[in-house]
Amino acid sequence: GENVEQHPSTLSVQEGDSAVIKCTYSDSASNYFPWYKQELGKRPQLIIDIRSNVGEKKDQRIAVTLNKTAKHFSLHITETQPEDSAVYFCAARGPTQGGSEKLVFGKGTKLTVNP
Amino acid sequence: DSGVTQTPKHLITATGQRVTLRCSPRSGDLSVYWYQQSLDQGLQFLIQYYNGEERAKGNILERFSAQQFPDLHSELNLSSLELGDSALYFCASSVDPGARTEAFFGQGTRLTVV
Repeated sequence: GENVEQHPSTLSVQEGDSAVIKCTYSDSASNYFPWYKQELGKRPQLIIDIRSNVGEKKDQRIAVTLNKTAKHFSLHITETQPEDSAVYFCAARGPTQGGSEKLVFGKGTKLTVNP
Repeated sequence: DSGVTQTPKHLITATGQRVTLRCSPRSGDLSVYWYQQSLDQGLQFLIQYYNGEERAKGNILERFSAQQFPDLHSELNLSSLELGDSALYFCASSVDPGARTEAFFGQGTRLTVV
């Protein structure tokens, strides 16, 4: 089945710097890669996603890149702000046995943005 | 508000007991996922249902079971509870997993086993 590895597990940056979080996946059939942000005690919320037919997607200060050949995708946050501090999860979804799909998450990256 | 409703928000129970967690997906969503999140842990996939049928299984214990009803709400049953089952349980819903659409999470049920 699908396995998603996420690095680093913790990341501390100064306000205004960039942050990069990387994920790799195992199932080459995976075709959808969302990123979620989870603040303490709250539900995960989608911040950006990318589909397998696209190599890069941007939304203001957030961008995601996908390399299907290498089976890895990354989240880039520029001009970080203290409110970006949270746990970020990457995920991959693709076909599993029997034609069903499951959404598998990485273990998360705790991002701290220091003022 | 994601539109996904989970009840109860908090649950405290004793070891050996059985509990039922409930999830109502967003209107129009046919797929429901269940996840377990322990302290400082990631989101462990438990099980997925689509339009009433089980579609995928993750690391779900035999003591746990789930179902999705005709009105599309889902229930996760946890039995013979152990201290290690204490966690946040999230459900998420999406329109159709095959459509590569966003999964929306509920607020979660915090289960404490004492």
